[in-house]
Amino acid sequence: EDQVTQSPEALRLQEGESSSLNCSYTVSGLRGLFWYRQDPGKGPEFLFTLYSAGEEKEKERLKATLTKKESFLHITAPKPEDSATYLCAVLPYNQGGKLIFGQGTELSVKP
Amino acid sequence: DGGITQSPKYLFRKEGQNVTLSCEQNLNHDAMYWYRQDPGQGLRLIYYSQIVNDFQKGDIAEGYSVSREKKESFPLTVTSAQKNPTAFYLCASSPDRNSRNEQFFGPGTRLTVL
Repeated sequence: EDQVTQSPEALRLQEGESSSLNCSYTVSGLRGLFWYRQDPGKGPEFLFTLYSAGEEKEKERLKATLTKKESFLHITAPKPEDSATYLCAVLPYNQGGKLIFGQGTELSVKP
Repeated sequence: DGGITQSPKYLFRKEGQNVTLSCEQNLNHDAMYWYRQDPGQGLRLIYYSQIVNDFQKGDIAEGYSVSREKKESFPLTVTSAQKNPTAFYLCASSPDRNSRNEQFFGPGTRLTVL
């Protein structure tokens, strides 16, 4: 069964304290992996797409990486405005375009 | 501005009533999706449509219905058969009908059953 697990469920950081969020997945074949940011009461905002192991994408303080079993979202020197829930989703080959989402990691960055 | 709009932002429903949530996109995307989000759970797919006049059930379609008469519109009806409809509903679209590309989300509608 295709599955996505994100860890930790919640992460509290001090401003400037770098860390990583994990997204582990099991799929029969991976077409793509997506990272989203979601603020409370709002729709998810697209961040990155990764298609193959070894691929990396960066945007400001965020860097996403991909292996054959997991993806990491690295946050370098976070600021309070980075506080949000980060969602990971995978697109398997055999699901007709349906994304499978993890439960998210709630990140809180304190000044 | 291009984007996805959902209305209303908040919706209150009495038990036994059907309600329709609106989703419109002006991105010229082929595929559209409806998700439900509950606290502590990941997004769950209700219905999706990859082309006009065609749609498929997602993982939790029972108690919901959709239509896709126009490329830019994909309304969701929550029927009285949906036993626990209180949730945050999200509409998304994707440029590729085979959904190789990322999905872009609207701002959501929060439905509360009184």
